[in-house]
Amino acid sequence: AQTVTQSQPEMSVQEAETVTLSCTYDTSESDYYLFWYKQPPSRQMILVIRQEAYKQQNATENRFSVNFQKAAKSFSLKISDSQLGDAAMYFCAYRSAARGTGNQFYFGTGTSLTVIP
Amino acid sequence: DSGVTQTPKHLITATGQRVTLRCSPRSGDLSVYWYQQSLDQGLQFLIQYYNGEERAKGNILERFSAQQFPDLHSELNLSSLELGDSALYFCASSVGGVQGTGKDEKLFFGSGTQLSVL
Repeated sequence: AQTVTQSQPEMSVQEAETVTLSCTYDTSESDYYLFWYKQPPSRQMILVIRQEAYKQQNATENRFSVNFQKAAKSFSLKISDSQLGDAAMYFCAYRSAARGTGNQFYFGTGTSLTVIP
Repeated sequence: DSGVTQTPKHLITATGQRVTLRCSPRSGDLSVYWYQQSLDQGLQFLIQYYNGEERAKGNILERFSAQQFPDLHSELNLSSLELGDSALYFCASSVGGVQGTGKDEKLFFGSGTQLSVL
């Protein structure tokens, strides 16, 4: 099974500054999808951003962008102009695009982000 | 609002008991997934159903079972509960459920059921 590793259990950032959350994954597949999900104190899991492995261009969603390094199997999330509402647990996730049964997502253990006013 | 509905939001029960968690997927979604989130662990995949059939099984205990009904809602049954079963249980849904199809598939999560076993 694929594994997803988030080596930073906790991170903090000053409001309006930029922070980068790290994620690495292990796979032998060439086609897959990567995601960042946000879990605020409300516990709701919210999709932040998604990247297709076959695309070289890094995905961007407003203040959120990724640095996708396929060869290094690295998928980091950059949050620019951090806001208090960005405080949450962030999960990196992997999904295979290979044909087969199931549609399983593999999640990392999460990074808790604190935003300091 | 993701469109995925989970009930109940909170559940408190005693060891040895049996509970049922319910999930209604987004309209049009055929797949339902169950995840367990404990305090010291990330999201652990339990099981997936696609259009009524089991598609994938993860780290689901034998004391746990699930099913997806013809109207596509799903139930997760937890029996002989232990203290260690206390966790947040998420249901998620997606349009499809077969890898390699639905290139733009995303998971949409419900708000979870917080289970406390005392």
